[in-house]
Amino acid sequence: DVKVTQSSRYLVKRTGEKVFLECVQDMDHENMFWYRQDPGLGLRLIYFSYDVKMKEKGDIPEGYSVSREKKERFSLILESASTNQTSMYLCASSFNLGGTSYEQYFGPGTRLTVT
Amino acid sequence: GESVGLHLPTLSVQEGDNSIINCAYSNSASDYFIWYKQESGKGPQFIIDIRSNMDKRQGQRVTVLLNKTVKHLSLQIAATQPGDSAVYFCAENMDTGNQFYFGTGTSLTVIP
Repeated sequence: DVKVTQSSRYLVKRTGEKVFLECVQDMDHENMFWYRQDPGLGLRLIYFSYDVKMKEKGDIPEGYSVSREKKERFSLILESASTNQTSMYLCASSFNLGGTSYEQYFGPGTRLTVT
Repeated sequence: GESVGLHLPTLSVQEGDNSIINCAYSNSASDYFIWYKQESGKGPQFIIDIRSNMDKRQGQRVTVLLNKTVKHLSLQIAATQPGDSAVYFCAENMDTGNQFYFGTGTSLTVIP
């Protein structure tokens, strides 16, 4: 079974803190994604990566950055956390073979609260 | 069905009945679709997918129907069980890209 793990299930941070969310997948997937999920808004893509050291902005990248130094690990960084970044953060990974997309496998999520 | 907004559409069914959850997708160029199930406190879980060269695909107790003419996707769950209670949402993708677009979901409650 594909396993996507996230470093924390719950996190509480103060406004202005730098926050790191880590995601690891064990299936050698090329693609990795970071989403945030808010009530009534569904999943919104923050950033994704299709290869090591490669990244592309999603729909809501402002206030976030990412790092992918190894194929299995994709980190989301909040440079200076703000209260409007309180949310559920979901990491996902997928194959991409020859340009064809496949299903995304999700981690359990990190519920981040910024006070 | 799914819609953008503050209130999640809800569906309540009796245990043993069939459930139908609908999704209107937005992009006529989308050619790959997935249904996900999300239980409370967990990440989304893949249920079934379908590509645009098909209009129906069946899995174990689930069937996905795709109507490209009206940009509509549905998920049918046969003999719904209490363990099926969750939020279900669809995702669409243009096969040339990595990005998926997700609906806001429908909350399914199974009444024992």
